[in-house]
Amino acid sequence: QVQLVQSGTEVKKPGASVKVSCKSSGYTFTSYGISWVRQAPGQGLEWMGWISDYKGDTNYAQNFQGRVIMTTDTATNTAYMELRSLRSDDTAVYYCARDFAYTSGRFDYWGQGTLVTVSS
Amino acid sequence: DIQMTQSPSSLSASVGDRVTITCQASQDISNYYLNWYQQKPGKAPKLLIYDASNLETGVPSRFSGGGSGTDFSFTISSLQPEDIATYYCQHYDNVPPPTFGGGTTVEIK
Repeated sequence: QVQLVQSGTEVKKPGASVKVSCKSSGYTFTSYGISWVRQAPGQGLEWMGWISDYKGDTNYAQNFQGRVIMTTDTATNTAYMELRSLRSDDTAVYYCARDFAYTSGRFDYWGQGTLVTVSS
Repeated sequence: DIQMTQSPSSLSASVGDRVTITCQASQDISNYYLNWYQQKPGKAPKLLIYDASNLETGVPSRFSGGGSGTDFSFTISSLQPEDIATYYCQHYDNVPPPTFGGGTTVEIK
């Protein structure tokens, strides 16, 4: 069965970076993309970006351009999302989700979420 | 980018009621690339409906979606206690970014 398992809770200080992992199993990792979606406390869903080994491409939301880097390790079927220069309003649950290989559009399996708290 | 406006933002209904949520796009979505997700408290979202009206495998048939152009709807034909959740619409196109609606919280009266 398809599973996406994310790394654990993080607590960071303002200005620091965080790197969240998302390990996939149960499907051919390189045949799909991975999107990252975040949710601030009590708020809605915000798409951050997408990475696809199939297409050899990434696409980042304008709000995160220059601060986010998404990578993959095909040897371990793991995707990573690194967010830099953290601010208090980056406090959120970060989700990875399986996506299309050729563009971002349908999130059919999700990780369990990783809470990132940014506080001094 | 196309903006998605969901309504209502919350609703309260009785078990067995028919519940409908609407999602309005800021531009015509002629390709029907409109998905619906359910999110229960403390859990990740779950895909229920894709491409406006297609039921994801394993999702109960009381859930349905429809619409065209700029106006789309999501319906629960007979509300069950386990349907308490927040529902989101989401549009995508051949070029990112995909965009989410603001969400509709469904409660039992």
